Amino acid sequence: KAGVTQTPRYLIKTRGQQVTLSCSPISGHRSVSWYQQTPGQGLQFLFEYFSETQRNKGNFPGRFSGRQFSNSRSEMNVSTLELGDSALYLCASSLYDGRTDTQYFGPGTRLTVL
Amino acid sequence: GDSVTQMEGPVTLSEEAFLTINCTYTATGYPSLFWYVQYPGEGLQLLLKATKADDKGSNKGFEATYRKETTSFHLEKGSVQVSDSAVYFCALILTGGGNKLTFGTGTQLKVEL
Repeated sequence: KAGVTQTPRYLIKTRGQQVTLSCSPISGHRSVSWYQQTPGQGLQFLFEYFSETQRNKGNFPGRFSGRQFSNSRSEMNVSTLELGDSALYLCASSLYDGRTDTQYFGPGTRLTVL
Repeated sequence: GDSVTQMEGPVTLSEEAFLTINCTYTATGYPSLFWYVQYPGEGLQLLLKATKADDKGSNKGFEATYRKETTSFHLEKGSVQVSDSAVYFCALILTGGGNKLTFGTGTQLKVEL
């Protein structure tokens, strides 16, 4: 089975721009979660989508948004980029059949904001 | 709130040495516990997990036991290799609390010949 894929792998943007990152989950997985990893704050939960609905949200400003499509693929968008948004953005998928389930991570998208 | 505390790194060991990375947690509910590993330039790989008290997770020679009485999930390996050099993250998910992982700060392991 193919793992979680994320595109693009690397991205360079300037302040004020917006960016869209894409995540394709493992086949059959319906839950997709997004995390931000920075040296200063570590790994922080952004949001989770299940069956096209946002089910959980972390403590990030409204500039961070996401969506999930009917095929479970997910995108996250960051508008009005700030220097502090430079990070590794990780996507994870899981079956989540109603019980706690294991999350499997993609390789991440490295975003650099100049 | 829920939190995970890991020992500070980096941890530097010689090849074939014994490894322990401490992890303790605070949770309002009943969590499942995980260890993930991150190699340079890569995402997170699941190393092992335990979903209830006294469960032992194991994989690739690594082990961790879910100790509810001490709220701990320490990672151990009897004989480390240079290829084990990576950053190790302890994490929890609350049962019934949604699909949100709470991570520790990570512990960098360096194994030298």
